[in-house]
Amino acid sequence: DAEITQSPRHKITETGRQVTLACHQTWNHNNMFWYRQDLGHGLRLIHYSYGVQDTNKGEVSDGYSVSRSNTEDLPLTLESAASSQTSVYFCASRASGTGDTGELFFGEGSRLTVL
Amino acid sequence: AQSVSQHNHHVILSEAASLELGCNYSYGGTVNLFWYVQYPGQHLQLLLKYFSGDPLVKGIKGFEAEFIKSKFSFNLRKPSVQWSDTAEYFCAVRPSNTGKLIFGQGTTLQVKP
Repeated sequence: DAEITQSPRHKITETGRQVTLACHQTWNHNNMFWYRQDLGHGLRLIHYSYGVQDTNKGEVSDGYSVSRSNTEDLPLTLESAASSQTSVYFCASRASGTGDTGELFFGEGSRLTVL
Repeated sequence: AQSVSQHNHHVILSEAASLELGCNYSYGGTVNLFWYVQYPGQHLQLLLKYFSGDPLVKGIKGFEAEFIKSKFSFNLRKPSVQWSDTAEYFCAVRPSNTGKLIFGQGTTLQVKP
């Protein structure tokens, strides 16, 4: 079965370190998204991509970057981790074009703690 | 700015009680509407969606939602909740002029056995 996998599932890091969260999907979806989930804020969009070499900023993109070198992967990088980036991060994907049912398929989340 | 508002942040019900979770959005154009559920320790999964047609949509596990365009609302309902419905529920809106999904703040539902 197709799926989205995120790694690591849990990570503790220190302020100022660079962190990369991996996201790999086998749906062959063009559209991929990164969200962060925080109490009281729901899910907020960090970055998204509509295809290879395409990346776009979401509503809370400061301090984050993504790259899309192939269809399957959209790694999220925190250039210099800050305590405010302690959160649970979800990767999601969605089909495009005629295959687009609107449904997002989510990974299981990566819990990041920045000390 | 486009936004989604969920009125109830934390709801506690007893089993067999009826449920209604409110959701309102701010966007004047055509929208696709969704409810997602996140069970404890799990990822988000789709509960139901509305694209067009009958404004009353039925989803999995006995949930339904009604789209009222004049009120910019998409409330989630279930006639009789079960303990297994304990979860966090997210309303989401996808305006027609963007591919992005905008989520509400979420409502935590706790069902007491």
